[in-house]
Order: sequence, then C-alpha cells, then structure tokens
Amino acid sequence: SQTIHQWPATLVQPVGSPLSLECTVEGTSNPNLYWYRQAAGRGLQLLFYSVGIGQISSEVPQNLSASRPQDRQFILSSKKLLLSDSGFYLCAWRLEAGGYTFGSGTRLTVV
Amino acid sequence: AQSVTQPDIHITVSEGASLELRCNYSYGATPYLFWYVQSPGQGLQLLLKYFSGDTLVQGIKGFEAEFKRSQSSFNLRKPSVHWSDAAEYFCALLAGGSYIPTFGRGTSLIVHP
Repeated sequence: SQTIHQWPATLVQPVGSPLSLECTVEGTSNPNLYWYRQAAGRGLQLLFYSVGIGQISSEVPQNLSASRPQDRQFILSSKKLLLSDSGFYLCAWRLEAGGYTFGSGTRLTVV
Repeated sequence: AQSVTQPDIHITVSEGASLELRCNYSYGATPYLFWYVQSPGQGLQLLLKYFSGDTLVQGIKGFEAEFKRSQSSFNLRKPSVHWSDAAEYFCALLAGGSYIPTFGRGTSLIVHP
C-alpha cells in the first residue's frame, strides 16, 4: 500500500540549534514530494518541492533547506533555527491518480 | 497566475444542519480542484477531487462539491453536519501541467451541539 511517514510528531528546539525533519513514502517510485509550513491561524505555505533525487525547488527564501538523498526520502533542514521557524510542517506526496497525500505533520516550537 | 479564495474564515453551524463552504478560483482554463480537511494537529486528508466529467463530485464522509465553471466556484456541501466534522477545510487548485497546487487560506468549521 502507499503510505507517507513523517517524523518527529513534535519538536521543541532552542534558537540557533539545527533541524532535521524526515519524510518517507512507501509503495511508489519517483514521487513528487513537497514540504509545507503552516503557521498558527494561517494557510499552507509551500517551502520546497522535488520531482526527483537531488532535484529541489525552493519557493520561499528562508532559513531552511531541503534535500532528497533517496527516491522516497525528503528531508527538511536548518543549520540555525530562528523563532520565526516555529510552525506546523507538512510533507506531501503527489499521487499518480491525482491529489496529494499529506503526512501527519511535525509541530516545531523554537524557544 | 492562479489563485484560490475561501471567503469565509470561520463558519459556525449547528449539528444536523446543512453546510456549504465556498471556494472561488481564478485560472484561465479548467483546473483540477480539491477539498481537504484538517483536524487539529493532524495532516490534511483528501475529501474529494474534480478533474473532469460530472460537475457534482461525491467524496468521503458524506461530502460533495459542485464545479460551476460560470461562477469559477467549487463549493463543498454536506446535508447534515456531525460534531466530528469540526475542522479546518482547504480548497486547492492544480493548473494543468503544474506540479504545484495552490491552496486557499482555509475555512474553520465550528459545530455547535
């Protein structure tokens, strides 16, 4: 079956610390993958998307970066977190049949 | 460029009442359209999608949506709301040939007992 996994579910990190959020998908190959951020009370902001290994497109200049080291793995990173990086981060995968499947999200709080 | 507008930030209904959430889009051709639901602290779940064909689309959990080209709308409806339907609802558009969906800002549904 096709599934998407995202972890951790919650994370509290101090300002200036590094970040690594991981997203993996199962049951498919060469998926289109996305990282979104959802700030409190706001909609979805697309951060990065990837159409293949090593191919990353950035939608918004910021303190974050993304990598796709394997076909079904998408990683969101930061070298030094800012308070403004707090939010709910969602990984998504474009289904071949149309539509997008989202992970369960990571609640990041930078303190 | 395409855009999606959800005019209502919050909607409050009584349990058992009917529901309609509005979604308007701007795009030069017929887009692919989606409705998603997000429970607090969770990811988004696809309710239904429209690609082509019948303009009335049935989804999960008793929801349906109607694509109206003349009004550039894709409103979500449910005849009788349950308390468990309280959540955030997002309308989204995907332009043909694009990898990037455009999401509306979301509508928060509050259900009173």
